[in-house]
Amino acid sequence: GAGVSQSPSNKVTEKGKDVELRCDPISGHTALYWYRQSLGQGLEFLIYFQGNSAPDKSGLPSDRFSAERTGGSVSTLTIQRTQQEDSAVYLCASSGTTKETQYFGPGTRLLVL
Amino acid sequence: SQKIEQNSEALNIQEGKTATLTCNYTNYSPAYLQWYRQDPGRGPVFLLLIRENEKEKRKERLKVTFDTTLKQSLFHITASQPADSATYLCALVGPGGSYIPTFGRGTSLIVHP
Repeated sequence: GAGVSQSPSNKVTEKGKDVELRCDPISGHTALYWYRQSLGQGLEFLIYFQGNSAPDKSGLPSDRFSAERTGGSVSTLTIQRTQQEDSAVYLCASSGTTKETQYFGPGTRLLVL
Repeated sequence: SQKIEQNSEALNIQEGKTATLTCNYTNYSPAYLQWYRQDPGRGPVFLLLIRENEKEKRKERLKVTFDTTLKQSLFHITASQPADSATYLCALVGPGGSYIPTFGRGTSLIVHP
């Protein structure tokens, strides 16, 4: 079956603009994660959705970052008033009944000029 | 603070040898530990999971050990091949059912033919 997909694959934006990144998890997966990976850095946890529970937003770096998950499936990560330090690869992952295994998408490479 | 350490220097080995990668952690009591492989421009791919009460896990040419006293996991690839060249990430998940992995920065493995 299809894996996790993310769009766009690449995004170049100007400082101060808002961007939306999309994640389509594997069908039927109830858990969805957003991470970001800066050059040479590890994956930094951003936010976690599990079913209908309130999301764990503990990793969001500032109030410019927000995410939603509509209908328990597709998720959108929004970054408002982008800054150059937001440049990174944004990775989405999902997991199903075996919650201990995460399946990652290819990522969205964001460059803020 | 919690820390996960992986060797930042690339590991270079000859084809056919065993590659051994290290993951050390401090100020952490993981319920389980995961190893992922990440190729350039791609998202991480889950390889193996080992629980706190397990000493060793194997899958084909891969072997993972977990020593909670030393706070260390070793990841071995036997009979390594050039196709094994990638970055390998370890990730820890704490107790309490959060299912949110915290990742190390990864170690690059280069297998020379």
